[in-house]
Amino acid sequence: AQSVTQPDIHITVSEGASLELRCNYSYGATPYLFWYVQSPGQGLQLLLKYFSGDTLVQGIKGFEAEFKRSQSSFNLRKPSVHWSDAAEYFCAVAPGGLTGGGNKLTFGTGTQLKVEL
Amino acid sequence: NAGVTQTPKFQVLKTGQSMTLQCAQDMNHNSMYWYRQDPGMGLRLIYYSASEGTTDKGEVPNGYNVSRLNKREFSLRLESAAPSQTSVYFCASRRGSTTEAFFGQGTRLTVV
Repeated sequence: AQSVTQPDIHITVSEGASLELRCNYSYGATPYLFWYVQSPGQGLQLLLKYFSGDTLVQGIKGFEAEFKRSQSSFNLRKPSVHWSDAAEYFCAVAPGGLTGGGNKLTFGTGTQLKVEL
Repeated sequence: NAGVTQTPKFQVLKTGQSMTLQCAQDMNHNSMYWYRQDPGMGLRLIYYSASEGTTDKGEVPNGYNVSRLNKREFSLRLESAAPSQTSVYFCASRRGSTTEAFFGQGTRLTVV
């Protein structure tokens, strides 16, 4: 069964500092990977996605993520955090390729980001 | 450009009451999902429908039933609500396996 682990429940960074949010997945074959962001009281917005090809993917709002198959990781990074980035971030995994996995989409428990001014 | 629409946005139920949460998407997506979000537990998959006419259990299906009424609509039913079902419920849809999911704005359900 597929699963996602986000080891950090809360992270606090200063505005302008760099950010890395960790995500580890468990899935036996090629995964499709996603990062979403949720602002308070809102739904989820896609930041970026990985399906295949270049393992470094760029997303919206200056975010990027790197897929490392050997480490089963898909960590999210941003070089310089803005106060408006304070939100909750979710990593998600789905079966990739022509596995017929039924499109099950599994989320992690989320990381709450606080930005200090 | 509605996307994924959930109704109602807020609901208070008494223990033992039943209700149906409605979800509709206008993007011609094949797959639809129901999640619940609880503090510290992220989004947990309740049920999903990979395509019209099929439904499958997720991680936490007990106490819920679903109906994929047609390609657009996917409803979630609580037959006998319990306080443990107090949560925020999100519906989502995807065109297929190589696309991302789009989410509704959520339904905040309180069972007293």
